[in-house]
Amino acid sequence: TQTVSQSDAHVTVFEGDSVELRCNYSYGGSIYLSWYIQHHGRGLQFLLKYYSGNPVVQGVNGFEAEFSKSDSSFHLRKASVHWSDSAVYFCAVSAPGGYKVVFGSGTRLLVSP
Amino acid sequence: EAAVTQSPRNKVAVTGGKVTLSCNQTNNHNNMYWYRQDTGHGLRLIHYSYGAGSTEKGDIPDGYKASRPSQENFSLILELATPSQTSVYFCASGDPGGSDYTFGSGTRLLVI
Repeated sequence: TQTVSQSDAHVTVFEGDSVELRCNYSYGGSIYLSWYIQHHGRGLQFLLKYYSGNPVVQGVNGFEAEFSKSDSSFHLRKASVHWSDSAVYFCAVSAPGGYKVVFGSGTRLLVSP
Repeated sequence: EAAVTQSPRNKVAVTGGKVTLSCNQTNNHNNMYWYRQDTGHGLRLIHYSYGAGSTEKGDIPDGYKASRPSQENFSLILELATPSQTSVYFCASGDPGGSDYTFGSGTRLLVI
């Protein structure tokens, strides 16, 4: 069974700051790890994913995430946030060939001007 | 542009009434999913489908039925709506085993 944990329910930063949103997972085999963003009143949008290879993956709008097998983590980072990055971010895991994606509980990011 | 379209965007239903939420995808994905999103619960999988004619139970299927008449369309049916089914419902499509779903914009359902 795959599980995913996002320990921070809320994160507040100022515009131009860097930010890291944390994600930890548990699963014994190969997995896909991904991040989604949800702006208020909208559906989730896919940001990036990792399966194998370079542990640092690049996504849209300057987001990147780093996979760590030793820490069972897949943290999302951005070097300089913009007010439009304010949203809820979901980490997700799925097993290759599996039927579903398991989502974390989400982290609400608020970027203050 | 490939997309997932949900209708209606908003719905008010009476307790005991029948509600049908519709979803259409132009991604040619085999898999489609229905989730509900509630504060404190995140996204929970209700039903999913591997392709036309198939429906499978997700994690919280009680009180819901699903129908996949074609590759493009996947409906969620509440035969006897209850206030506990008040929620935001999201449809998504994706490739089998993949992790990059495409989500619709959601349907906000209020059961009174």
